[in-house]
Amino acid sequence: DAGVTQSPTHLIKTRGQHVTLRCSPISGHKSVSWYQQVLGQGPQFIFQYYEKEERGRGNFPDRFSARQFPNYSSELNVNALLLGDSALYLCASSLAGTGRAETQYFGPGTRLLVL
Amino acid sequence: EDQVTQSPEALRLQEGESSSLNCSYTVSGLRGLFWYRQDPGKGPEFLFTLYSAGEEKEKERLKATLTKKESFLHITAPKPEDSATYLCAVQASPNAGNMLTFGGGTRLMVKP
Repeated sequence: DAGVTQSPTHLIKTRGQHVTLRCSPISGHKSVSWYQQVLGQGPQFIFQYYEKEERGRGNFPDRFSARQFPNYSSELNVNALLLGDSALYLCASSLAGTGRAETQYFGPGTRLLVL
Repeated sequence: EDQVTQSPEALRLQEGESSSLNCSYTVSGLRGLFWYRQDPGKGPEFLFTLYSAGEEKEKERLKATLTKKESFLHITAPKPEDSATYLCAVQASPNAGNMLTFGGGTRLMVKP
């Protein structure tokens, strides 16, 4: 079975541009979460979506937005890119995202470099 | 605010030299504690979930334990292929969805 997939694998942008990152969850998983991982640090939570609705939001500016589609795939959008947005962006999926703490399975990530 | 602190930041072991990694946490109400392994440039790979104090789980050379304030990842007779960054994360309530709060990780290097 395919795991979580993300595209693109790498991306180079310049300051002020916008970027769209994509994620497909494990088949049967309905919850998708996004994390940002700066080099040398642990991942930081950005968003969770379940059944196309936002269920959680981390401490990130409004330049970050996301959405989930009927097939449970998801997009993360970042506007007005800053140098500090350079990071590994991780997508994680889980079955339902509610109730008892569920295991989240991570994709390989998208490496974003902002110049 | 939920906080997770991992120690040491880096650990060098000789092959076969057993050791433990520490994860200390402060949360309002623990729903679960997770251990992941992350290789350079890749996404975290799930290892264990622990739900309550006293719980233990094992997988090959790894054993995870949980108390009310911390978790340990014990590595018995490690091999070079165990070299990676090990991440600890908590999910707490009240909570922003299923948000995981991660520690900074422990970079483990096992030399042959």
